[in-house]
Amino acid sequence: GDSVTQMEGPVTLSEEAFLTINCTYTATGYPSLFWYVQYPGEGLQLLLKATKADDKGSNKGFEATYRKETTSFHLEKGSVQVSDSAVYFCALSDRAGGGNKLTFGTGTQLKVEL
Amino acid sequence: SAVISQKPSRDICQRGTSLTIQCQVDSQVTMMFWYRQQPGQSLTLIATANQGSEATYESGFVIDKFPISRPNLTFSTLTVSNMSPEDSSIYLCSGGEVSYNEQFFGPGTRLTVL
Repeated sequence: GDSVTQMEGPVTLSEEAFLTINCTYTATGYPSLFWYVQYPGEGLQLLLKATKADDKGSNKGFEATYRKETTSFHLEKGSVQVSDSAVYFCALSDRAGGGNKLTFGTGTQLKVEL
Repeated sequence: SAVISQKPSRDICQRGTSLTIQCQVDSQVTMMFWYRQQPGQSLTLIATANQGSEATYESGFVIDKFPISRPNLTFSTLTVSNMSPEDSSIYLCSGGEVSYNEQFFGPGTRLTVL
């Protein structure tokens, strides 16, 4: 079945540091890939997405490139801020199975300190 | 995009009782989903609710425990029945369209069962 593997957290960085959160996936078809963010006490918000190989999703300074050859969708940001502190979830939607169900990774907590 | 609200935002319940969670979308969506997020864990899909048909449950979740209604294209309810402390979780609903291949999430309902 489909699965998503994320690097474990928490990840603690200083403000303005470079961020990478690794995400790899297994899917039977040609999935769409997503990064969701969950700020403390809130629900999930879609951060970015990519629907086919070599697509790059970007939003709020975050980027991720759909790499079919390595089945990866790593999240990057060049300079993090304290306000980026949150839990980040990588997810996939494999329409081959029908229904657009999302399969989530375990989430990676990011803490950004001054 | 769609804006999704949930009620209640949180509740504390006694074991053996039931709680119904409401999910309202500000626009019509074909597909709605219910997820559970146990403390410190990722999201697990409970069921998919499409209007006009029975909900489709994932492995490990049954209708008797988690009955779902989907009376129209903007509303759904999830009932957590005969609750035990193990049901303490955040319950999230989401909505989306197949054509957009994207889901929007509500803020979640934080349930504590004593």
